[in-house]
Amino acid sequence: NAGVTQTPKFRILKIGQSMTLQCTQDMNHNYMYWYRQDPGMGLKLIYYSVGAGITDKGEVPNGYNVSRSTTEDFPLRLELAAPSQTSVYFCASGEGENTIYFGEGSWLTVV
Amino acid sequence: AQSVTQLGSHVSVSEGALVLLRCNYSSSVPPYLFWYVQYPNQGLQLLLKYTSAATLVKGINGFEAEFKKSETSFHLTKPSAHMSDAAEYFCAVSGVTGGGNKLTFGTGTQLKVEL
Repeated sequence: NAGVTQTPKFRILKIGQSMTLQCTQDMNHNYMYWYRQDPGMGLKLIYYSVGAGITDKGEVPNGYNVSRSTTEDFPLRLELAAPSQTSVYFCASGEGENTIYFGEGSWLTVV
Repeated sequence: AQSVTQLGSHVSVSEGALVLLRCNYSSSVPPYLFWYVQYPNQGLQLLLKYTSAATLVKGINGFEAEFKKSETSFHLTKPSAHMSDAAEYFCAVSGVTGGGNKLTFGTGTQLKVEL
């Protein structure tokens, strides 16, 4: 049972480059989320989706975009990478009040 | 709006001693409360959750937490610490308000277990 799968695991970007973090879940969850984790700050919600075709901003959406064309996939796009986007990114999925399941994380460094 | 406060960014205990990690919450709706554990370079794993059933919640690895509405607290405890418990622990709150079960996390508590 794969759960929530994120790729890539590690990536180094140059300032101004763009990239997409991929996220796929095989649990048929309607809700999906992207969080970023910075030392001493906990996890902050970037974007979330309550179903295919529906996305909304979280607490820290600036510099990111998302799409949700299918139930399974929820990619996160960085258009113009900045050093402030150096972080660990977690994708998660869940349903209603049930448990939210997290992926293993993607470590991104912008230099 | 919802928030959680975790008191103590670092907690150190001796192996075999009681573990107590503190979490206080603020929520304008009946909250759902969670504790997650994160081992180095890994994702978050659910330890336990409170969803308005029993106020004393038992989780994995011998951890438990008690929901106290009067104190707006959801502290995590374990009677006897083990070396393998060393990790970072996050308290989180959500309220299902139709916008998805969005979790708001505390800033985390790093648990160190010493011999």
